[in-house]
Amino acid sequence: DSGVTQTPKHLITATGQRVTLRCSPRSGDLSVYWYQQSLDQGLQFLIQYYNGEERAKGNILERFSAQQFPDLHSELNLSSLELGDSALYFCASSSSGGDTQYFGPGTRLTVL
Amino acid sequence: QKEVEQDPGPLSVPEGAIVSLNCTYSNSAFQYFMWYRQYSRKGPELLMYTYSSGNKEDGRFTAQVDKSSKYISLFIRDSQPSDSATYLCAMTRRGGSNYKLTFGKGTLLTVNP
Repeated sequence: DSGVTQTPKHLITATGQRVTLRCSPRSGDLSVYWYQQSLDQGLQFLIQYYNGEERAKGNILERFSAQQFPDLHSELNLSSLELGDSALYFCASSSSGGDTQYFGPGTRLTVL
Repeated sequence: QKEVEQDPGPLSVPEGAIVSLNCTYSNSAFQYFMWYRQYSRKGPELLMYTYSSGNKEDGRFTAQVDKSSKYISLFIRDSQPSDSATYLCAMTRRGGSNYKLTFGKGTLLTVNP
């Protein structure tokens, strides 16, 4: 158990809908990273938050957004969902030193 | 050219074999290197972490980094059926507070009893 929790484990929804994925980092970790894993693209970095502030963006679609709250948990919002958004979404956290990331169990999103 | 290349396999070996997994990278800015193990439908689990050229050993696992050749390897000795998983190499740049990881696509390993 990495200490990173993610909810829900599974989400099934329809195209055009909006969903919210939640992540709680390891105790004391200030950085939260979101990654998307699909069969064809592998694990891709989406966005990073550090102590409530956006720190870096990767290949994140404009339909996707995230935030980190004062208690350091983070949410990833996916809107106007398309079939191609079906994937595993992982959250990872790291301490202020930054370079070692611990991953949560992921949320499997299926868009029908 | 992708920043990180990893042979996806699949790789199938008998129990007890020595396994060699490899990645190459193109960006010399990468300074920190990791290997993650991912069981089916689970989150990646950090196995090894290194930031210097040379070897690092942890039990049956040895991570090797050759920065001059931009090549990293993971060796698994005395492989066990429980080692059957996808192995992902990952790397990140030095400096700042952003350490986003760039991953290889993963190598699927099966260790047969």
